[in-house]
Amino acid sequence: AQSVTQLGSHVSVSEGALVLLRCNYSSSVPPYLFWYVQYPNQGLQLLLKYTSAATLVKGINGFEAEFKKSETSFHLTKPSAHMSDAAEYFCAVIGSGNTGKLIFGQGTTLQVKP
Amino acid sequence: NAGVMQNPRHLVRRRGQEARLRCSPMKGHSHVYWYRQLPEEGLKFMVYLQKENIIDESGMPKERFSAEFPKEGPSILRIQQVVRGDSAAYFCASSNTDRGTEAFFGQGTRLTVV
Repeated sequence: AQSVTQLGSHVSVSEGALVLLRCNYSSSVPPYLFWYVQYPNQGLQLLLKYTSAATLVKGINGFEAEFKKSETSFHLTKPSAHMSDAAEYFCAVIGSGNTGKLIFGQGTTLQVKP
Repeated sequence: NAGVMQNPRHLVRRRGQEARLRCSPMKGHSHVYWYRQLPEEGLKFMVYLQKENIIDESGMPKERFSAEFPKEGPSILRIQQVVRGDSAAYFCASSNTDRGTEAFFGQGTRLTVV
């Protein structure tokens, strides 16, 4: 069965510093992987997705993620954090059964310090 | 070009009452997914519907919960005889395919059971 694990429920960085949010997946088939961002009391916004094309995926707001099959990882990065990046981030994988349902990680709260 | 619309945004119910959550998918989308986010947790898949059909309800609690997506009108998630443990944010996502790679999320309904 497909699953994702996000390492670190809370990450704190200084403004301007590198952002690295970790996600490892488990999948019996080539995975489709996603990163979503959730601002307080809001819905989920898609940052980027991997659908078996280029392994380095660029998303919105300067974020990118690299699919590494050998490490079963899909870590999210941003070179320079902004205060507005403070939010909760979710990694997700398409679940089994060909229905398109998403399996989410537990989430990582990103804090950006001035 | 409205996105996925969920209403109400906030819902307060007393224990034992019924809760009805509505989701209007994006125009042209005939696939709807419901997810639940418990406090301090990630999103959990509940049910996947296409127009007039429940395709995958593997995440739905066995009792008190039901969902529908009629030919006309929004999708409804219904919770009968609510209990405090039902307090959560309920999110709907819609898609124009069953692959899940093009799903868009609504802003959620936050249910509080008192």
